[in-house]
Amino acid sequence: AQSVTQPDIHITVSEGASLELRCNYSYGATPYLFWYVQSPGQGLQLLLKYFSGDTLVQGIKGFEAEFKRSQSSFNLRKPSVHWSDAAEYFCAVGSYTGTASKLTFGTGTRLQVTL
Amino acid sequence: EAGVVQSPRYKIIEKKQPVAFWCNPISGHNTLYWYRQNLGQGPELLIRYENEEAVDDSQLPKDRFSAERLKGVDSTLKIQPAELGDSAVYLCATRRASTDTQYFGPGTRLTVL
Repeated sequence: AQSVTQPDIHITVSEGASLELRCNYSYGATPYLFWYVQSPGQGLQLLLKYFSGDTLVQGIKGFEAEFKRSQSSFNLRKPSVHWSDAAEYFCAVGSYTGTASKLTFGTGTRLQVTL
Repeated sequence: EAGVVQSPRYKIIEKKQPVAFWCNPISGHNTLYWYRQNLGQGPELLIRYENEEAVDDSQLPKDRFSAERLKGVDSTLKIQPAELGDSAVYLCATRRASTDTQYFGPGTRLTVL
């Protein structure tokens, strides 16, 4: 069975500083990987996804993530954080059962941004 | 396009009472998911529908939870009777058949007293 580990429960960065959120996955085949963001009281919004091809994936809001098969990682990065990026970030791995994908989420990393 | 719609957004009930959540998917999305998100956790799948058929309900506590998706569009998730441990956010997500991206609604925050 697939699983996702987000080792950092809470991260605080200063506005303008760079950000890296860690994600490690366990999956027997080629993974489909996602990063979602959840603001307070909101649903999850897709930031980016990796299915195949280029291992560096660009997403919305200036985020990017790099798939490293050898490390079973899919870390999320942003070169300069804005105060509006404060939210909960979830990494997920997708597996196929039949015709649809099933997502398994990590426990999330809460990002706090200081001014 | 309009997003996934869920109602109510918030619900407070006493234990042993019934409760129902409603989800309206994005038009054309034939796959629908219900997730439960406990405080401080990621979402966990409860049930997945392909059109009107429940194809994965292995994680649904069937003694008290039920779901339906009539005509393959809107869906309802019901809990009867609710227990204290059911307090969580219930998220609905939908997916178009030609893609692998799930789109989430804002969720229903349930508090059981």
